[in-house]
Parts: sequence; C-alpha cells; structure tokens
Amino acid sequence: GESVGLHLPTLSVQEGDNSIINCAYSNSASDYFIWYKQESGKGPQFIIDIRSNMDKRQGQRVTVLLNKTVKHLSLQIAATQPGDSAVYFCAENRNSGYALNFGKGTSLLVTP
Amino acid sequence: EPEVTQTPSHQVTQMGQEVILRCVPISNHLYFYWYRQILGQKVEFLVSFYNNEISEKSEIFDDQFSVERPDGSNFTLKIRSTKLEDSAMYFCASSQQTGREIEQFFGPGTRLTVL
Repeated sequence: GESVGLHLPTLSVQEGDNSIINCAYSNSASDYFIWYKQESGKGPQFIIDIRSNMDKRQGQRVTVLLNKTVKHLSLQIAATQPGDSAVYFCAENRNSGYALNFGKGTSLLVTP
Repeated sequence: EPEVTQTPSHQVTQMGQEVILRCVPISNHLYFYWYRQILGQKVEFLVSFYNNEISEKSEIFDDQFSVERPDGSNFTLKIRSTKLEDSAMYFCASSQQTGREIEQFFGPGTRLTVL
C-alpha cells in the first residue's frame, strides 16, 4: 500500500554538527510534505513544509529537500543543538484533503 | 503563544466502556483533527472536522467513534465501546483556514489505556 517511511530509526550526532534525516514516500500524488518534531511527552510540532512543485525550502537552521525522481525527502538541521533531540516525523498531505499521513519517525540524539 | 489543550492527560477505562476525550483547539482555528499513536508506532489520522461536520475520516474511524463540537471552544472524541486495541495516545490538532491548513498544531495528547 502507499506509505511514508524513514530510512534510519535512530541518529546520533554531536552538538554543533549538521544532521540529516531522511524519508521515503511512495505516493506521487502528494501535494505537501511536512516535517514534525516530537519531544518526549508532547504532541508533534510543525517544523517546515514543502510543496510538491518545489525541491528545496529553507527555514531557521532547517532545510528540507525534495527529490521527486526518487521519492525522497530530507530534513537538514544546521549546527544541531541539545534541544533538537526528539523524534522527527515526515508526513505527506494528499491534495484531496488535509489529513496527514505520517512516517514512523527517526529519533535524533544530540550528544555534547 | 496560543496552544491546543487536551484533557485528561491520562484516561484508564475498562473494555466496553465509553470514553470522551476533550480538546480545546486554538481559538481562531476552523479545522480540527484527531490522530492517534499506538505505543512505538507512527501517528495515524482519524478524522477531520470543519464547519460542524466531518470532512475526512480514515478506516480506523468506524461506527464506534464520533466527534462533536458541543460549544464554541471544545472538540470531543467519543469512543462508544472501547476495545483493548484502542489503547493509544490520542492527539487533537487544529489549523487555520488561510491556505495553511496543513500546518496543524497538536495538543499534548491523552493517553488512553483500555484494560
């Protein structure tokens, strides 16, 4: 079936390094791709989204890249900080509505 | 900063009992959603609600589930007869009607445990 999934379940990086979290998707009809961050005991928090007609979008310390040829999405976090430690989910939105289809999540651990 | 709130934070119930999970969405938001996350699994969409009616629902959202906006601030999810497999974290979310509907703001969740 159609799915959004993640390549790596856990990622450990040193403080100050850049982090890259990857995601694969299978639904070519997705209109938006979104990254959410979930800290322990909290609900998902919106980070950044990218529309399917774009290949790159930058935010504050984050960049999302979309490669539609290989159906791959990545989130780059610059100068990773301890507060970035969380589970990161990619999600897709199908253009028929606003329901989000989430991937399984990657746990990012930032070590000092 | 406005936020989505949910009550209770943890609900324990016996199988077959009815539960109502409550949410207060952000005040100027018009789209409301329920998602759930079974322990260790991904977040799953249940239902979206707009203009006092369901706009989308997933296969999970069967006849045991219902949603309601009983007043101008609350948004509720009712599970009529809980099953063991309903044990999960339930998240409420809301979004604006300004072309940013996909930027959904999530509450902290209600952990439902069915015994």
